[in-house]
Amino acid sequence: EPEVTQTPSHQVTQMGQEVILRCVPISNHLYFYWYRQILGQKVEFLVSFYNNEISEKSEIFDDQFSVERPDGSNFTLKIRSTKLEDSAMYFCASSLNRGREEKLFFGSGTQLSVL
Amino acid sequence: GENVEQHPSTLSVQEGDSAVIKCTYSDSASNYFPWYKQELGKRPQLIIDIRSNVGEKKDQRIAVTLNKTAKHFSLHITETQPEDSAVYFCVVTGTASKLTFGTGTRLQVML
Repeated sequence: EPEVTQTPSHQVTQMGQEVILRCVPISNHLYFYWYRQILGQKVEFLVSFYNNEISEKSEIFDDQFSVERPDGSNFTLKIRSTKLEDSAMYFCASSLNRGREEKLFFGSGTQLSVL
Repeated sequence: GENVEQHPSTLSVQEGDSAVIKCTYSDSASNYFPWYKQELGKRPQLIIDIRSNVGEKKDQRIAVTLNKTAKHFSLHITETQPEDSAVYFCVVTGTASKLTFGTGTRLQVML
């Protein structure tokens, strides 16, 4: 089965630094997402992206966050000035279509630690 | 926004026993309810889903039931095995493809 891949698997950064998390969605998928999971908590929606623009974002996704699809394969999440509370597992996901019943495929995640 | 409550937060069962996890949601317009299993340090994976026009769905040892009037749905695992040990999340789809996860249930199957 095709997979969503994420790099790096672990990222350690100093508070205030910029980080970029990278994702390669499944090749024929058109819709892309970022979710995050703080240790021991539930998975939370951050943003959805289609046709090179944000479709929807949560209140977590403030001005410090941005997403981009710089080429035909990568989908990135940038955090401009990291805070301690940004420490979490970040999951990228993709889907073929958009709809309430559409299956999302999750990547294996990037564990971000902000020191 | 959508609010999803999940119980219990932890569940320990003996191997071979059944496990039941329950969820309630707030948005009556929701009509698709997947369940995700997350093993330690791994990605969430879809294990079963149910649509609002169906009251029950079964896949081998796993079943889901849905009561749309009461806005609750449940996951049932029968004949539990050690490999069922994981965190289980009920999910409600809000706007298109935006998943709202429950708070999770840590299931431990003891030998």
